[in-house]
Amino acid sequence: AQTVTQSQPEMSVQEAETVTLSCTYDTSENNYYLFWYKQPPSRQMILVIRQEAYKQQNATENRFSVNFQKAAKSFSLKISDSQLGDTAMYFCAFMSRGSGTYKYIFGTGTRLKVLA
Amino acid sequence: KAGVTQTPRYLIKTRGQQVTLSCSPISGHRSVSWYQQTPGQGLQFLFEYFSETQRNKGNFPGRFSGRQFSNSRSEMNVSTLELGDSALYLCASRSTSRETQYFGPGTRLLVL
Repeated sequence: AQTVTQSQPEMSVQEAETVTLSCTYDTSENNYYLFWYKQPPSRQMILVIRQEAYKQQNATENRFSVNFQKAAKSFSLKISDSQLGDTAMYFCAFMSRGSGTYKYIFGTGTRLKVLA
Repeated sequence: KAGVTQTPRYLIKTRGQQVTLSCSPISGHRSVSWYQQTPGQGLQFLFEYFSETQRNKGNFPGRFSGRQFSNSRSEMNVSTLELGDSALYLCASRSTSRETQYFGPGTRLLVL
């Protein structure tokens, strides 16, 4: 069975600094997708970034980038120039497609606090 | 496009009661998934509906059920509520053959 592990329950970073959130996963499949979602306090969960496993190039969205290491089954999120609005819970998610169904597995989340 | 909407946003129920939550997906999205989010367990997958059919189911008791209507709106029902059912219930929609899910704001259920 697939699993997603986020080993850092809480992290903090100074405004304007860079922080990296870790995520590891376990799967025997070759084709899958990985996501980082952000859930600000009492607000809606939104997609931060996604990565297709078949793509070697790491995904980037403005200040957010990933380090995707397929062999190591690692998918970390780097936030550059951290802003106060980045304070949120961050969830790593794995998605595979088998037998016509999409299956999502989420990690337990990392609570990130950006300090002024 | 309007995002995923969920109603109601907050609910307080007592043990033994039942509750129905509603989710309207993004226009054109035919897949709707439901998750239970608790501080200790994170996001736990409940079930996914696609074109009015349940396609996938998580490991929850039969007290948790759902359905989807022809307009893709979905409802989730929990019968015989227990204290442990207190949680944020999230709905997410997805376009056909696309991988990214988009979440609604959630319904926060408190069982007393």
